[in-house]
Amino acid sequence: TQLLEQSPQFLSIQEGENLTVYCNSSSVFSSLQWYRQEPGEGPVLLVTVVTGGEVKKLKRLTFQFGDARKDSSLHITAAQPGDTGLYLCAGLTSGTYKYIFGTGTRLKVLA
Amino acid sequence: NAGVTQTPKFQVLKTGQSMTLQCAQDMNHNSMYWYRQDPGMGLRLIYYSASEGTTDKGEVPNGYNVSRLNKREFSLRLESAAPSQTSVYFCASSRGRAGPETQYFGPGTRLLVL
Repeated sequence: TQLLEQSPQFLSIQEGENLTVYCNSSSVFSSLQWYRQEPGEGPVLLVTVVTGGEVKKLKRLTFQFGDARKDSSLHITAAQPGDTGLYLCAGLTSGTYKYIFGTGTRLKVLA
Repeated sequence: NAGVTQTPKFQVLKTGQSMTLQCAQDMNHNSMYWYRQDPGMGLRLIYYSASEGTTDKGEVPNGYNVSRLNKREFSLRLESAAPSQTSVYFCASSRGRAGPETQYFGPGTRLLVL
């Protein structure tokens, strides 16, 4: 069974702080996605990374795919209350339509 | 466009009762998915349909059945609900091309089984 473990599980920080969320697996994925989910809603895609070592930036968010394509990280610079939510990583195995989702990181940014 | 819609939004069942969760998408997507979300466990794939006319099991299919009624609609049925099926259920769709795609999620159905 493929597993994607995220850490930390919970994170509460002050506005303006930086943070990093990790997504780790023993399996290799052909691509990895990050979603954000707000209470009462479904997840919304933030980014897809497909190449080992790839780094993508989305304003204050930086996403990295590990060289071996087994792990990924999400770094947020100068967090804002609007960043509050549940962050989920999701890995796709080559040749399948099955996405494996991570266990989630619940972020709360305090004003 | 409404995107992905799910009905009902909330449901309370007694153990042993049956129900069908409905999902529809208006984006002409080929692939559709059913997930359940439980605290600390992220999203787990129950069943998916890569294209109209096909369905396949995901990680946690036991106790569920699905029907891909047509290209737009993908329903999830619980034949005999159990308390362990208390969860939030999400339907999603994607274009269905090979490789990574954006999955578009519905707002979820919150199910409580007593």
